[in-house]
Amino acid sequence: DAGVTQSPTHLIKTRGQQVTLRCSPKSGHDTVSWYQQALGQGPQFIFQYYEEEERQRGNFPDRFSGHQFPNYSSELNVNALLLGDSALYLCASSPGLGGQYFGPGTRLTVT
Amino acid sequence: AQSVTQLDSQVPVFEEAPVELRCNYSSSVSVYLFWYVQYPNQGLQLLLKYLSGSTLVKGINGFEAEFNKSQTSFHLRKPSVHISDTAEYFCAVSDHTNAGKSTFGDGTTLTVKP
Repeated sequence: DAGVTQSPTHLIKTRGQQVTLRCSPKSGHDTVSWYQQALGQGPQFIFQYYEEEERQRGNFPDRFSGHQFPNYSSELNVNALLLGDSALYLCASSPGLGGQYFGPGTRLTVT
Repeated sequence: AQSVTQLDSQVPVFEEAPVELRCNYSSSVSVYLFWYVQYPNQGLQLLLKYLSGSTLVKGINGFEAEFNKSQTSFHLRKPSVHISDTAEYFCAVSDHTNAGKSTFGDGTTLTVKP
């Protein structure tokens, strides 16, 4: 079992650009959540996908969007990047109850 | 809405000493409670969880935590720490309607010294 995988590992973008991050959930998990973790802080919930629909959303602007595919994998898109978007982006999958399984994250640096 | 407060941002401790990392939460509804560990440049790993039942829960790597509903706390303990326990620890809560959406504290850095 590969666990939750994310790509790419690191990414450097310029202000105003757009970025797409990818996540494959743990086998058997149909729910994917995305979190943003700024340096020195705990993860902040961005949104959650279930059955290819956005089920819940945190306090993030519309520049943050996502998608879930039929195989349960997911993408996070961020448009019009700001310096403040620099963070570790974590994907987590869950089977329902029991906590979440996190991927290693994608480190996004916006210059 | 929920919130989580981790009362200590940094906890230094000597190897083989006991440790307690403190977590208080606020919620208007019943919650599930979790502790995660994050090693440098890695994602989060689930240490233990409280869903229901016994208020004392045991997790991996010798950690345990006790849920105290009256004090809205979920403190993490280990009787004897190792150098390898040096990491960032996060307390998190989820409400019963969506266990996949968690609110996290800001973390506690545990540093184990030889």
